[in-house]
Amino acid sequence: DGGITQSPKYLFRKEGQNVTLSCEQNLNHDAMYWYRQDPGQGLRLIYYSQIVNDFQKGDIAEGYSVSREKKESFPLTVTSAQKNPTAFYLCASSIEKYSPLHFGNGTRLTVT
Amino acid sequence: EDQVTQSPEALRLQEGESSSLNCSYTVSGLRGLFWYRQDPGKGPEFLFTLYSAGEEKEKERLKATLTKKESFLHITAPKPEDSATYLCAVGYSSASKIIFGSGTRLSIRP
Repeated sequence: DGGITQSPKYLFRKEGQNVTLSCEQNLNHDAMYWYRQDPGQGLRLIYYSQIVNDFQKGDIAEGYSVSREKKESFPLTVTSAQKNPTAFYLCASSIEKYSPLHFGNGTRLTVT
Repeated sequence: EDQVTQSPEALRLQEGESSSLNCSYTVSGLRGLFWYRQDPGKGPEFLFTLYSAGEEKEKERLKATLTKKESFLHITAPKPEDSATYLCAVGYSSASKIIFGSGTRLSIRP
């Protein structure tokens, strides 16, 4: 079955450490996205990529970095510069820019 | 300011009690309005896309409608398994992206 795989489901890190969240899709979608979800808030866009080797900052990109070396993969690195990294992170993909998003089941990151 | 606002924040209904969820938006160049369902600890699941005012989509007990300023998600005779958070999102060309509302937490009591 086609879909988006995010790993790990839960991730724990110490403050000051960088951490990379994995996102893989086998839907053959061109566009991929990273969103952050905090309790009681909507999804906020961190980064998105419309094509391999190209990506753009979303609304809250500070303290995060991404790469898009392969169509299937869009890893997100949460750096030590991110002031409040504890959150639920969601990866999504779509066929094209304004098509419906298909989401993974998220990674819950806790930084202490 | 580009914005998507959902109301109410939370809604508790008795099984079989129909109601509506609201999503209002202020963006330029609407390219699509999306409804998603999200269960706790899971990623959102796509329900509907609406593209133009007057359009309607239905799926089981859910019906989504769209006007020039807002969308409604009507839930007819809901069941406990309809309990979830319902998210609205808007894709628009003036900023070339999709933004989400903060969601409505729906709880259906047996």
